[in-house]
Amino acid sequence: EPEVTQTPSHQVTQMGQEVILRCVPISNHLYFYWYRQILGQKVEFLVSFYNNEISEKSEIFDDQFSVERPDGSNFTLKIRSTKLEDSAMYFCASSPGTGNTEAFFGQGTRLTVV
Amino acid sequence: GESVGLHLPTLSVQEGDNSIINCAYSNSASDYFIWYKQESGKGPQFIIDIRSNMDKRQGQRVTVLLNKTVKHLSLQIAATQPGDSAVYFCAERNQGGKLIFGQGTELSVKP
Repeated sequence: EPEVTQTPSHQVTQMGQEVILRCVPISNHLYFYWYRQILGQKVEFLVSFYNNEISEKSEIFDDQFSVERPDGSNFTLKIRSTKLEDSAMYFCASSPGTGNTEAFFGQGTRLTVV
Repeated sequence: GESVGLHLPTLSVQEGDNSIINCAYSNSASDYFIWYKQESGKGPQFIIDIRSNMDKRQGQRVTVLLNKTVKHLSLQIAATQPGDSAVYFCAERNQGGKLIFGQGTELSVKP
């Protein structure tokens, strides 16, 4: 069964450093998303991406964040100058369409900023 | 504004009993809802969805009910098993594909 894969599973970084979280969406999907989940809290939307551009982003997704689809298979989230409060699980998701179609989630990357 | 929330943060049931998890939403224009299951350390896993033109949808051991009048969703799990222990989230999906998640209910199944 096709699945969304994310690497690394756990990333520890020092405050102020840049991190890149990587995702390989399901191959025939066209819409890509990043979400985050702070420990013990609900999953929060960060950004959606379609046709090589951001289609929607949340207030959380400020200039510190960027996304890229550098090739035909990868979808990355870059966090510049990480802060302690960026520590969270980051989930990538993909879907074949929008609206009434299911989004499939990866297993997540646990980011710890120290 | 948009918000999706859950009534109870925790639910404990006996193995074999039925479980009911509730969710309220505030955006009356919402037309697609999904229930996700999240096990510890894993990503949300799709359980079942429902469109706003339906009141009920059944899957394997799960049923989702939608009451648009009071903007309420519920997830019913029949014959709950230990493997059902997880956090359950309802989510609303907008036309752009963005998911708005509720706070989550932790289901604990006692053997």
